[in-house]
Amino acid sequence: GAGVSQSPSNKVTEKGKDVELRCDPISGHTALYWYRQSLGQGLEFLIYFQGNSAPDKSGLPSDRFSAERTGGSVSTLTIQRTQQEDSAVYLCASSQQGSNEKLFFGSGTQLSVL
Amino acid sequence: GNSVTQMEGPVTLSEEAFLTINCTYTATGYPSLFWYVQYPGEGLQLLLKATKADDKGSNKGFEATYRKETTSFHLEKGSVQVSDSAVYFCALSPLRTALIFGKGTTLSVSS
Repeated sequence: GAGVSQSPSNKVTEKGKDVELRCDPISGHTALYWYRQSLGQGLEFLIYFQGNSAPDKSGLPSDRFSAERTGGSVSTLTIQRTQQEDSAVYLCASSQQGSNEKLFFGSGTQLSVL
Repeated sequence: GNSVTQMEGPVTLSEEAFLTINCTYTATGYPSLFWYVQYPGEGLQLLLKATKADDKGSNKGFEATYRKETTSFHLEKGSVQVSDSAVYFCALSPLRTALIFGKGTTLSVSS
């Protein structure tokens, strides 16, 4: 597609449920990033993919968070047993090769945990 | 480790005022430095970048100079417009991993 696509754009869930967030990067971009944006916290790095492997997953806040990328393209971020503090905007970005280049961001998924 | 510190906002200015948003960094090695901008209701987009010491990045009237001696990358614009109202993020790119962002500075420009 023309840009980075994220779905859903909004997700409301109940505490304790699992959620899956999807990111479709720009075609041909090998690097993919997940960030979380909360009020007052700026952009918090979660995980970085180069192809299908994740050389840096140091930002995942707990073992409830996981992500995978298949076919060097689509990525899914899964949050298990959601908590209220997981409420945030989850942003996905991609770049051709690495973070030294321009990152293209999606519009994000607004997650609300009630 | 690597980190970015930016001045806290909000910054409130009148149209045509001079803008400075301070950004300092801590890094191992020699990262590239970036400013990203998030306009209301839109996604983040790259504003400008600099890849080595003394480089100046510029775009849309904004400028920032990579200062290794003061570990800074301050964003400046000589005359802001209402349309510049947005959240501005300073960032650095460590080796072989993702961008590290500052917390963002909200700029509000009134006419």
